[in-house]
Amino acid sequence: ETGVTQTPRHLVMGMTNKKSLKCEQHLGHNAMYWYKQSAKKPLELMFVYSLEERVENNSVPSRFSPECPNSSHLFLHLHTLQPEDSALYLCASSQELGFGGYEQYFGPGTRLTVT
Amino acid sequence: QKEVEQNSGPLSVPEGAIASLNCTYSDRGSQSFFWYRQYSGKSPELIMFIYSNGDKEDGRFTAQLNKASQYVSLLIRDSQPSDSATYLCAVNGSSNTGKLIFGQGTTLQVKP
Repeated sequence: ETGVTQTPRHLVMGMTNKKSLKCEQHLGHNAMYWYKQSAKKPLELMFVYSLEERVENNSVPSRFSPECPNSSHLFLHLHTLQPEDSALYLCASSQELGFGGYEQYFGPGTRLTVT
Repeated sequence: QKEVEQNSGPLSVPEGAIASLNCTYSDRGSQSFFWYRQYSGKSPELIMFIYSNGDKEDGRFTAQLNKASQYVSLLIRDSQPSDSATYLCAVNGSSNTGKLIFGQGTTLQVKP
């Protein structure tokens, strides 16, 4: 257990559905991240939040919409996804953002399948 | 050139041997370097980080950093079958966002 939880662990959704992924960290960290991991590809950073403020949007399509209501919770709202969006979605947190980097701790991930 | 490069493997070593995993990076401004282990179907687990040139040891793991050569490696001594996993190298970008750039990972197989 890393102190980062994600729900649901598995999700199957149709292309017209709307769903949300939830992440919660119990580490007292101030920064949170969404990553996408597709087969045979490196982890792709999607969004970065620091103290509930989005600091990076890594050219992610608008069908992915993040929300960070407080420093412990992070959501990823999904709508009208495409089959190529099927992947493992990982949430991570770190103590702070900053030059030099801080260790990031990952949640267990949500395995998303878009049909 | 990829920002963080790793040989995808698989790297196969016998049980008890030393496994050597390598990673090169392109951003000379990078300051922090991380190694994650990822078992199949699981999320990445942080096992080592290193900030300064030289070696850093933690149990059976040693991380080595050479900033002049833009090279970071992970040595696993006395490899066990339970070490069989994909090892991800991650490097912080030189921006101030704490962004980590990941390599594609090296798959390690430790054979009994």
